[in-house]
Amino acid sequence: GAVVSQHPSWVICKSGTSVKIECRSLDFQATTMFWYRQFPKQSLMLMATSNEGSKATYEQGVEKDKFLINHASLTLSTLTVTSAHPEDSSFYICSATTRGSVSTDTQYFGPGTRLTVL
Amino acid sequence: AQSVTQLDSQVPVFEEAPVELRCNYSSSVSVYLFWYVQYPNQGLQLLLKYLSGSTLVKGINGFEAEFNKSQTSFHLRKPSVHISDTAEYFCAVSSSGGSNYKLTFGKGTLLTVNP
Repeated sequence: GAVVSQHPSWVICKSGTSVKIECRSLDFQATTMFWYRQFPKQSLMLMATSNEGSKATYEQGVEKDKFLINHASLTLSTLTVTSAHPEDSSFYICSATTRGSVSTDTQYFGPGTRLTVL
Repeated sequence: AQSVTQLDSQVPVFEEAPVELRCNYSSSVSVYLFWYVQYPNQGLQLLLKYLSGSTLVKGINGFEAEFNKSQTSFHLRKPSVHISDTAEYFCAVSSSGGSNYKLTFGKGTLLTVNP
């Protein structure tokens, strides 16, 4: 089956530093990747949608200069949290899908990255 | 705009009992509906999806869901649960059209299966 990995699975950083999270599709080409944020006991909130080779589309209220997304290849997307602050602490999840009709498109989710900002 | 409401945040049941996890949605356009399961410290896994056709959808692990357009519901059911079904379950909706089928998730229902 389609597998999506994320690295790191858990990261602790100091306030003011930047953190990069990688999302990889291991056995398929992901034309579209999504980045979500999940707070404890809350739903997944879509942050942005990225298509390979183009700029990401951010959801309303998400700071694009703070959450930098790069989708440089068909198997890799990165999310960089710049100048992280404690309120950025959260569980970040990516998903990947291939281009096609919705009857074939399925979002395959990574295991998530737990970010703690001290 | 679309939204998803999962009416129960937690559902405790005994092993081998039937279970129903409720999901209601709202949308001004046609929708596609999904159920995902999240085991501890793992990513989301697709259980089943409704795109069109038969309103009764069968998924993996013995789960099924029924799309009810008049009640805007997509409840998930399993006739007999196992301990291993303990997990968080998310209902999600995606509107038709466009090339990126963005998902809107409910808040999740924690299913706990007790021996």
